[in-house]
Amino acid sequence: DADVTQTPRNRITKTGKRIMLECSQTKGHDRMYWYRQDPGLGLRLIYYSFDVKDINKGEISDGYSVSRQAQAKFSLSLESAIPNQTALYFCATSDPRGRGDTQYFGPGTRLTVL
Amino acid sequence: QKEVEQDPGPLSVPEGAIVSLNCTYSNSAFQYFMWYRQYSRKGPELLMYTYSSGNKEDGRFTAQVDKSSKYISLFIRDSQPSDSATYLCAMSGAGGFKTIFGAGTRLFVKA
Repeated sequence: DADVTQTPRNRITKTGKRIMLECSQTKGHDRMYWYRQDPGLGLRLIYYSFDVKDINKGEISDGYSVSRQAQAKFSLSLESAIPNQTALYFCATSDPRGRGDTQYFGPGTRLTVL
Repeated sequence: QKEVEQDPGPLSVPEGAIVSLNCTYSNSAFQYFMWYRQYSRKGPELLMYTYSSGNKEDGRFTAQVDKSSKYISLFIRDSQPSDSATYLCAMSGAGGFKTIFGAGTRLFVKA
């Protein structure tokens, strides 16, 4: 089984709808992250959490919110989706005791906002 | 100016060629340097990891870090079609806090 899983894998929605992307991990890592990937822009950090009680905004948090329900679960919400949030979204985990915050990524969620 | 600059390519080479991928950075606090490989429709996966300056070799892959020039490289020897992917450089500071990724270079290896 995959160590980091994301659901759904693909989602098409309409402008104004509320969307939740979910991430689960079995690696036992405290740190979890949400990124979006756009062509030519690479990976940009949306939010990160270093433990269940610690949530931090990343580079592009406007229009997004997160919830860390447990060590293993970190969800990303788009309260009112807009077309420029169409992107590939990745969840990742890391262990600060490991090699320089090496990140382990999920398979991604392809989100299209019409 | 971005903290990490990486040429997005695409880079197209024939099978068996030596490939050189590069990134420059501006933050002298970076100490950990990584290369991730991302196949189409997949998440990035760690390919190479280097701490501070120097070289590291793993099979056909060699990672180089030159902290004085703020320049890192990934070399792929005897490239194969299966190496076709996007390669992202990444780096983080002391304690591994907040990794910064390059935009990724798309590589095509033609059979």
